[in-house]
Amino acid sequence: DAKTTQPNSMESNEEEPVHLPCNHSTISGTDYIHWYRQLPSQGPEYVIHGLTSNVNNRMASLAIAEDRKSSTLILHRATLRDAAVYYCILRGNNAGNMLTFGGGTRLMVKP
Amino acid sequence: GAVVSQHPSRVICKSGTSVKIECRSLDFQATTMFWYRQFPKQSLMLMATSNEGSKATYEQGVEKDKFLINHASLTLSTLTVTSAHPEDSSFYICSAWDSRKGGYTFGSGTRLTVV
Repeated sequence: DAKTTQPNSMESNEEEPVHLPCNHSTISGTDYIHWYRQLPSQGPEYVIHGLTSNVNNRMASLAIAEDRKSSTLILHRATLRDAAVYYCILRGNNAGNMLTFGGGTRLMVKP
Repeated sequence: GAVVSQHPSRVICKSGTSVKIECRSLDFQATTMFWYRQFPKQSLMLMATSNEGSKATYEQGVEKDKFLINHASLTLSTLTVTSAHPEDSSFYICSAWDSRKGGYTFGSGTRLTVV
């Protein structure tokens, strides 16, 4: 499985935008870029995913580099409830493909 | 959106006993479910892939006779931790692929404490 590299932790101020980076230089042409987040003592929660084009949904935006070797998850206005571990994961295109979790980025949001 | 219901959320059991954890997909059919384990301050580690109507596929180092997985229907997968020991204490999480959104839905997790 292609690996991803994320910073261990990041800090943000409440109501400011947050850019969470992810490097995936060995990504293959069919790998989707998935982002999940895990709040304390809960199961992970789907955030967003994309293949080549930038993606937006109600939770976040995903900016994908033109060469697909990196991506950035953008939270437009961080709230205290966004404090979580954010995982960037590459996934192949088959329904049976599992997710392999790395260390993720622990986002801390300061009031 | 898709919901995976996982029960129980917390369980304390005595060493040597067995514990069953259930995961149900409430509004979609899950041909495949995945079981993860997470130790404190660590990431999720895949234990096994559960396929409806067939045997589960276990990751290297996971004892299939200790962690029994049953996926008898398209909406229910169970993980039974047999002869539990304190080192099995962990956070167990299931997930299922939701083809409608193109992502995985996770259960809320089960905190197992073996005393």
